[in-house]
Amino acid sequence: DIQMTQSPSSLSASVGDRVTISCRTSQSISSNLNWFQFKPGRAPKLLIYSASALQTGVPSRFRGSGSGTDFTLTITSLQPEDFATYYCQQSYSDPPYTFGQGTRVEI
Amino acid sequence: EVQLVESGGGLVQPGGSLRLSCEVSGFTVTSNYLSWVRQAPGKRPEWVSVIYSGGNRYYADSVKGRFTISRDAAKNTLYLQMNSLRVDDTAIYYCAYCPRSKVLVKVFDVWGQGTMVTVSS
Repeated sequence: DIQMTQSPSSLSASVGDRVTISCRTSQSISSNLNWFQFKPGRAPKLLIYSASALQTGVPSRFRGSGSGTDFTLTITSLQPEDFATYYCQQSYSDPPYTFGQGTRVEI
Repeated sequence: EVQLVESGGGLVQPGGSLRLSCEVSGFTVTSNYLSWVRQAPGKRPEWVSVIYSGGNRYYADSVKGRFTISRDAAKNTLYLQMNSLRVDDTAIYYCAYCPRSKVLVKVFDVWGQGTMVTVSS
């Protein structure tokens, strides 16, 4: 299985800050990398797919980049509703489609 | 509008069985990829199973032989039959939908709110 390593595991930031989250995979996955936002009691939300494509309806302050084994999610100006846990997920080739261990973004 | 609503979670003893349902609207269960993903307390999400539009099914090694994914076109519902449940199956279980436009990249872009399964004696 493809292993996913996210960093940092948590971070503290303020409204308006630029936030960067990294995700590294154990083998090349081309651009088959997705980013999700999880909040307690809510349906998980897809933010970015195929490494850099913005999901419809997601604010443009969310940006994804990378290919191969190294990927980044950037929130250019953190908003109050962005405090959540973020996970990367690979969808390369056959299942299982593994997730990173998550990054909790706190105030 | 695509919507998914899970149900069927609850408390079950180790070794017991449970069937989860995911009622969908806005698309047909036989025309798209559908998946189950779970998240145990304090853990990363874990992909559990997928059923492709053609009917092929895949399972995580941790549930293979115990869980079965299926769908009912008449009820437009996805199911997850869970047998021989273990304590480490305790988690929130989500169903997720992959639209035809994202089939080539296997991206599940709409999820339900989840249903909690607790396996405990």
